[in-house]
Amino acid sequence: GAVVSQHPSRVICKSGTSVKIECRSLDFQATTMFWYRQFPKQSLMLMATSNEGSKATYEQGVEKDKFLINHASLTLSTLTVTSAHPEDSSFYICSARHGTGTLYEQYFGPGTRLTVT
Amino acid sequence: QKEVEQNSGPLSVPEGAIASLNCTYSDRGSQSFFWYRQYSGKSPELIMSIYSNGDKEDGRFTAQLNKASQYVSLLIRDSQPSDSATYLCAVRDQGAQKLVFGQGTRLTINP
Repeated sequence: GAVVSQHPSRVICKSGTSVKIECRSLDFQATTMFWYRQFPKQSLMLMATSNEGSKATYEQGVEKDKFLINHASLTLSTLTVTSAHPEDSSFYICSARHGTGTLYEQYFGPGTRLTVT
Repeated sequence: QKEVEQNSGPLSVPEGAIASLNCTYSDRGSQSFFWYRQYSGKSPELIMSIYSNGDKEDGRFTAQLNKASQYVSLLIRDSQPSDSATYLCAVRDQGAQKLVFGQGTRLTINP
């Protein structure tokens, strides 16, 4: 159990366009999902925490108008990179909360590699 | 600033030996501890979670937690070349949702 999928796995887009990435929990319901970005040979960087039915909480320095997050159901969260630029090229990974109470785990999706040309 | 510290490595271990990965954390309020494995170009994969002091074993993996020393470790027995990856230690405080990650330790198992 605890499978998280992402779509697409790879995307190439032109500068100035928008890209939507989907994150789904396949076999469980996730009240909370997280979006990370990772540049080559660097650590994971948390971008935002997304709770189902409410606005996402963005980390300091992450532009909420550029990275739009929607968590409309218990199994789906989306990240839209608006007006993408080459510096937005990165590996975007979502994760989902699995479990209730205070002892729960986070499972990651396979990631989406975004290249902006 | 809450911190999670790991030796970045690389840590080289011969095949069949025990690999020992260590992690320290700064916040005594931390309640949940995780080890993730990340292969190059892939996303992290959860391999162990531990919530109470002591050892937790799962197959070839053993997680050890010592809250008094603010120390968590991962032992990999009978190391295989397929264990070569970066291992991320992650910590979550009570009441918090997000994880704080260490920088990761790059492990290489030599055949």
